[in-house]
Amino acid sequence: SYALTQTPSVSVAPGQTARVACGGNNIESKVVNWYQKKPDRAPVLVIYDDDDRPSGIPARFSGSNSGNTATLTISGVEAGDEADYYCQVWDSSTDHCVFGTGTTVTVL
Amino acid sequence: DVHLAESGGGLVKSGGSLRLSCVVSGSTIYTYSLIWVRQAPGKGLEWVAYIDSTSTYIHYADSVKGRFTISRDDAKKSLYLQMNSLGVEDSAVYYCVRGRDIVASVYFDSWGQGTPVTVSS
Repeated sequence: SYALTQTPSVSVAPGQTARVACGGNNIESKVVNWYQKKPDRAPVLVIYDDDDRPSGIPARFSGSNSGNTATLTISGVEAGDEADYYCQVWDSSTDHCVFGTGTTVTVL
Repeated sequence: DVHLAESGGGLVKSGGSLRLSCVVSGSTIYTYSLIWVRQAPGKGLEWVAYIDSTSTYIHYADSVKGRFTISRDDAKKSLYLQMNSLGVEDSAVYYCVRGRDIVASVYFDSWGQGTPVTVSS
């Protein structure tokens, strides 16, 4: 079955750039979506269709997808961005949704 | 704004059953797919089940196939998850999610607050 691997944690100073990687075999052939999850809160969609932002999501959040890695980039990180981030794809060969293992972004 | 509200979670013994419900307000649901996602304590997000807008396509995670059944009632703007033969590994917060189907994928644009399920041994 298809698997998505994420680095467990990323630390970044306020105002700097955080990059969250999501690795998968030929992931560029799939559509990647990203979610922000804070403790005791429902997940929030922050990027869909590789690089589109839902309304209400700041332009500081962006996405890219190439080769075997998709990346969520958070520019000008703020304390409120501290959260777990998950990538997600739909594997059409099995008709299964797959979530990445998750990355905790810590703002120093 | 769309609002999804789950109910039906609780404490159940291993081998037991539960039926989760989700009511959607602020939006029609008949053009959207609906999904259940869960998160066990200290673990990541796990997709559970998917049902498309016409109930034609229904898919389950391998971990629940044969035990869980997803269904929807658009007239009641509701989504359901019948969970049978529950095990301790099914303990999690269960989220009701609205899906947007796009070419070769689906993304989850609205989530409920979740309902906790605890399975005791």
